[in-house]
This record gives sequence, C-alpha cells and structure tokens, in this order.
Amino acid sequence: DQQVKQNSPSLSVQEGRISILNCDYTNSMFDYFLWYKKYPAEGPTFLISISSIKDKNEDGRFTVFLNKSAKHLSLHIVPSQPGDSAVYFCAASGNAGNMLTFGGGTRLMVKP
Amino acid sequence: ETGVTQTPRHLVMGMTNKKSLKCEQHLGHNAMYWYKQSAKKPLELMFVYSLEERVENNSVPSRFSPECPNSSHLFLHLHTLQPEDSALYLCASSHAANTGELFFGEGSRLTVL
Repeated sequence: DQQVKQNSPSLSVQEGRISILNCDYTNSMFDYFLWYKKYPAEGPTFLISISSIKDKNEDGRFTVFLNKSAKHLSLHIVPSQPGDSAVYFCAASGNAGNMLTFGGGTRLMVKP
Repeated sequence: ETGVTQTPRHLVMGMTNKKSLKCEQHLGHNAMYWYKQSAKKPLELMFVYSLEERVENNSVPSRFSPECPNSSHLFLHLHTLQPEDSALYLCASSHAANTGELFFGEGSRLTVL
C-alpha cells in the first residue's frame, strides 16, 4: 500500500497562473517532507522541503504547505513559468532520516 | 567533474546476460542509494549504503547485487534478469545523517529482452 500518494497524474496551467500540486500521506511517523522536480532524461533534483514543526516554507516562487491533521501537503508555484514543466515528486521520511518514500509524481505542463 | 554520474545511460540485455550499472559521486557524501523507477510507479528504494556498509535492503530479488567498494562508488550487478525488471535505475547520494536531501544521477535506462 502506498504511504505517499499524488492523486493527480498530470496538471496543466497557463503561464503566470498558480500551480498547486498535492500530496497525501498515511504514515503518521513521517516528519520531514520534500519535493523533487524531474525533467526528462535527468535525475530528480531537490526543490524544497518542510519539517513537521512548520506548516509553511517558502523559497522564491515555491511554497510548500503542510497540514499534519489532514496528512496533506501541497506545493504552490506562482507565477508558473514554462520552464517549470516537469514531473514533481513528493517524498517523506521519518525521524529526519534519509529513507525517503516517494509519491508517484505529477506531470506539470505550463502553457505559454 | 561534479555531482552524481551514472553509466551506462542505456543498457539492453538478454535474460541470461550479466551486466553492471555504475555510479560515482563527487560530492563528498557518505551514503549512496539505488532506486528503481518503473513505468507509472513511484520511485522504489532498493539499497542503501552508509559509510560503505549496507543499511537497507528492501526485499530486492537476489538477481540484483549491489557493491559499494568506497564512499564514492556504487555498483549494481545484474544477472538473469526478467523483462519486468526493465526500468530506470537511479543512483543517489547524501550526507550520512542529513535531513533527507538526496542528490540523484541521471539514471540508467535498462531494457531486458
């Protein structure tokens, strides 16, 4: 059973608008969450993370929100740019360890 | 050269072949990982090495055999694979006890005929 789920396999957004990618988890022991971005023919690259002691972390155009009671996190990208088109993976770990559990990914397409 | 480098980038092999995937990291990290990405599936952790010792093995079939001769190199030896083993194999590295940020290579695309 998947402990980290990204229920939307794809998302299409107009350039300049907000992109919201969602992720749900089931394991209450997870306390650290990350988002990775993956372009075709490249490995995933780290984007942004959040610890369970916070509910929001912001880095430029990227903001991650964590709702622990709902076991839900989201990544907001605003404004979206065509270069943001990629597959986004959320990942979670327990005890701030390195054993990441990944979601299945959401393909974001930002249209010019 | 920097980052995490994987070779070969593409590999086609028959079920009776023996081949190896190689990973090299130039980031001074102490932990290295093998992940498998199959079509329409999440990344699956296969093996973890920390300070050259295997610390995690997620019930991977014995036809996959990892080797970590030092903190900079990681191999995945392949033998008698099945067509369902066709996937993208990703290597990653990290500091041994960091906050979960992994640095990935570009992956080795394996096709088993």
